[in-house]
Amino acid sequence: SQTIHQWPATLVQPVGSPLSLECTVEGTSNPNLYWYRQAAGRGLQLLFYSVGIGQISSEVPQNLSASRPQDRQFILSSKKLLLSDSGFYLCAWSVTGIFYEQYFGPGTRLTVT
Amino acid sequence: AQSVTQPDIHITVSEGASLELRCNYSYGATPYLFWYVQSPGQGLQLLLKYFSGDTLVQGIKGFEAEFKRSQSSFNLRKPSVHWSDAAEYFCAVGNQGGKLIFGQGTELSVKP
Repeated sequence: SQTIHQWPATLVQPVGSPLSLECTVEGTSNPNLYWYRQAAGRGLQLLFYSVGIGQISSEVPQNLSASRPQDRQFILSSKKLLLSDSGFYLCAWSVTGIFYEQYFGPGTRLTVT
Repeated sequence: AQSVTQPDIHITVSEGASLELRCNYSYGATPYLFWYVQSPGQGLQLLLKYFSGDTLVQGIKGFEAEFKRSQSSFNLRKPSVHWSDAAEYFCAVGNQGGKLIFGQGTELSVKP
């Protein structure tokens, strides 16, 4: 069966510091991968998605970036965090070619102080 | 543009009572519709999905949802709520670009 992991589970970082969040998927090959952000009391905002290694599409212009160095690894980064980057970050995957049915990881709670 | 509206931000029901969570969507073609549940501090779990066919779909944990094209709705129901159902529920529609558009969520509280 497929599983999706995210780490760290929680993170507290000062403004201006770098960020690296990691997501890995097991039990499937060539998945579509997604990064979402969930701000307090709000729905989910799609940040990035990837259909393959090195292929990244950005949905929202911001100071975040994403990379996919391996088939089942998806990384969310920032060079300098802003207060507004605080939130709950969720990684998700879907089967190749099927974009709608997405399965989510446990999430990372990021607090920028 | 595609959108999803969940009119109720917060609902409280008594344990054992029935539940209906509302979802309205805006989409030009036949939609792909989903309900997800999120426990506090956790990721989202897929409850059920509608792609085509029978408009009443069954999901996990005893949930069901009915697609009504004439009302642009996809309401989630459960005949008898358990305390463990307390969580946030998200409705979503798959758009033409292959992406999920989420509603703002409905928080469900269950009274003992």
